[in-house]
Amino acid sequence: DGGITQSPKYLFRKEGQNVTLSCEQNLNHDAMYWYRQDPGQGLRLIYYSQIVNDFQKGDIAEGYSVSREKKESFPLTVTSAQKNPTAFYLCASSTLGALTDTQYFGPGTRLTVL
Amino acid sequence: KQEVTQIPAALSVPEGENLVLNCSFTDSAIYNLQWFRQDPGKGLTSLLLIQSSQREQTSGRLNASLDKSSGRSTLYIAASQPGDSATYLCAVSKPDNAGNMLTFGGGTRLMVKP
Repeated sequence: DGGITQSPKYLFRKEGQNVTLSCEQNLNHDAMYWYRQDPGQGLRLIYYSQIVNDFQKGDIAEGYSVSREKKESFPLTVTSAQKNPTAFYLCASSTLGALTDTQYFGPGTRLTVL
Repeated sequence: KQEVTQIPAALSVPEGENLVLNCSFTDSAIYNLQWFRQDPGKGLTSLLLIQSSQREQTSGRLNASLDKSSGRSTLYIAASQPGDSATYLCAVSKPDNAGNMLTFGGGTRLMVKP
């Protein structure tokens, strides 16, 4: 059963802590993406990766870090430098360069800062 | 910088009504435009993808049109049902090396009342 999984579904963080959100895909996609969604708003791109061991900043990368050690995995770390991390985080993947293809999304992780 | 706007932000209609959701974008240099559906607390599901050379796409009761020169797209939902209640997001692709980078609108939250 192909798709994208994200874990955990809900995550609570104390101020000053780093937390890592997991994203795994078995669609054999080269490209992976992390988005942030605030209530009533659209998605904003945090980071994206087109190939293993390479990634690029999106529009709102400050306070976040990523790694891409395997094609299937693209974890996102929310660091203590992110001043307002409470949001819904979505991971997506797609083929690379197929301009008619869509991005496939995971179910999301809701992060709350206590 | 590409900006995507969706109007209205929220819409409530009685079951059976035909309705139109609007999306506008500021830069007409796009590769494609997509409409996504998002249920509360869930990820996004792609509904329709219109390539820049196309004028419309249809899937069941859904029809999406694209007027690239004027920077507008509409999503038409025929004979709305309570199960159509969700947030609908449009997104346009950026013409950059990643080939499939998306800029999202803020979404239209639709409620269809029985």
